[in-house]
Amino acid sequence: AQKITQTQPGMFVQEKEAVTLDCTYDTSDPSYGLFWYKQPSSGEMIFLIYQGSYDQQNATEGRYSLNFQKARKSANLVISASQLGDSAMYFCAMREARGTDKLIFGTGTRLQVFP
Amino acid sequence: DTGVSQDPRHKITKRGQNVTFRCDPISEHNRLYWYRQTLGQGPEFLTYFQNEAQLEKSRLLSDRFSAERPKGSFSTLEIQRTEQGDSAMYLCASSSAGGANTGELFFGEGSRLTVL
Repeated sequence: AQKITQTQPGMFVQEKEAVTLDCTYDTSDPSYGLFWYKQPSSGEMIFLIYQGSYDQQNATEGRYSLNFQKARKSANLVISASQLGDSAMYFCAMREARGTDKLIFGTGTRLQVFP
Repeated sequence: DTGVSQDPRHKITKRGQNVTFRCDPISEHNRLYWYRQTLGQGPEFLTYFQNEAQLEKSRLLSDRFSAERPKGSFSTLEIQRTEQGDSAMYLCASSSAGGANTGELFFGEGSRLTVL
């Protein structure tokens, strides 16, 4: 069964520094997609970045990059040059190619950026 | 594109009452999902529609829960005989693609249910 694990309940980072949020996953499907979402205190889920299992290169979107290590089944999110507005919950999620199209989410990491 | 909209945003009800939530997805999206999120947790999958067909229901969805998507457009999630454990944020999301492809889920702002 597919599973997402986020072992960091909370992380602190100083403004302008980089931070890595950890995510490991488990699946027997060779084809899958990995997603990161941000949830600010206002509650809406905001899509950040996507990585396909067959993508050769790590995904990047602006200040966000995904450190994809397939053999280790990890998909860590790297936020560069942190900003105060990055303070939020961050969720890693996975969707398998077979079966239905649901995303399975991890328990999240709360990131706090301080000045 | 007005995004995914959910109504009501907040609902307070007494135990034993029925509640219904509505979700209007992004118009061109044929996939619609319901999730439940409790405090400090990630969203938990409840059910999924492709067009009007309900293709999967989680075991979390007891027989007190029912979801519909008539005509493949908006969807409703009804909870009958609410219990205090039903208190949560109910999130609706839609997408235009699935499988291992990108085709991220676009979420609404959620409907927060409080059962007294």
